[in-house]
Amino acid sequence: EPEVTQTPSHQVTQMGQEVILRCVPISNHLYFYWYRQILGQKVEFLVSFYNNEISEKSEIFDDQFSVERPDGSNFTLKIRSTKLEDSAMYFCASSEPGQGDGYTFGSGTRLTVV
Amino acid sequence: AQKVTQAQTEISVVEKEDVTLDCVYETRDTTYYLFWYKQPPSGELVFLIRRNSFDEQNEISGRYSWNFQKSTSSFNFTITASQVVDSAVYFCALRAQGTYKYIFGTGTRLKVLA
Repeated sequence: EPEVTQTPSHQVTQMGQEVILRCVPISNHLYFYWYRQILGQKVEFLVSFYNNEISEKSEIFDDQFSVERPDGSNFTLKIRSTKLEDSAMYFCASSEPGQGDGYTFGSGTRLTVV
Repeated sequence: AQKVTQAQTEISVVEKEDVTLDCVYETRDTTYYLFWYKQPPSGELVFLIRRNSFDEQNEISGRYSWNFQKSTSSFNFTITASQVVDSAVYFCALRAQGTYKYIFGTGTRLKVLA
């Protein structure tokens, strides 16, 4: 069964450093997403991406964050100047064009900012 | 405003008991989609079911069943004859037409004791 692949599974970074979280969505999917889950809390929407541009973003997704699809397979989330409160599990997801379709989530990257 | 409420923070049952996880949602949209995801201790989000707002048929998949009632804005999930492997956090989510963003509930942690 097709999978969304996220790397690394766990990343530790120092406060103020930049991090790039990587995702390989399912190959025939056209919509890509990032969500985050602060430990023990609910899953929160960050951004959706379609046709090489952001289609929707949340209040959380401020200037500190950016997304990119640098080639035909990868989808990245960059966090500039990380803060302690950025520590969370970050999930990438992808979906086919039908709005009713469920996402396929990746297994997540646990980001720890120290 | 859209909202998903999972009032049960944690439920403990003994193996082979039936258990129902509650989900109540709020939306002004007439077309929307409801989902359940499972998050096992390993952390990934596993898709369980999608339901369209115009399809109120209940669904059964093995030991899992879902009861969708628009009149009470509820989409409850029942596990019959629970097993230890069902222990996980279960999230209910809502997506309105015209957006690809999911609104997640806060999750219900299910512990199935042997």
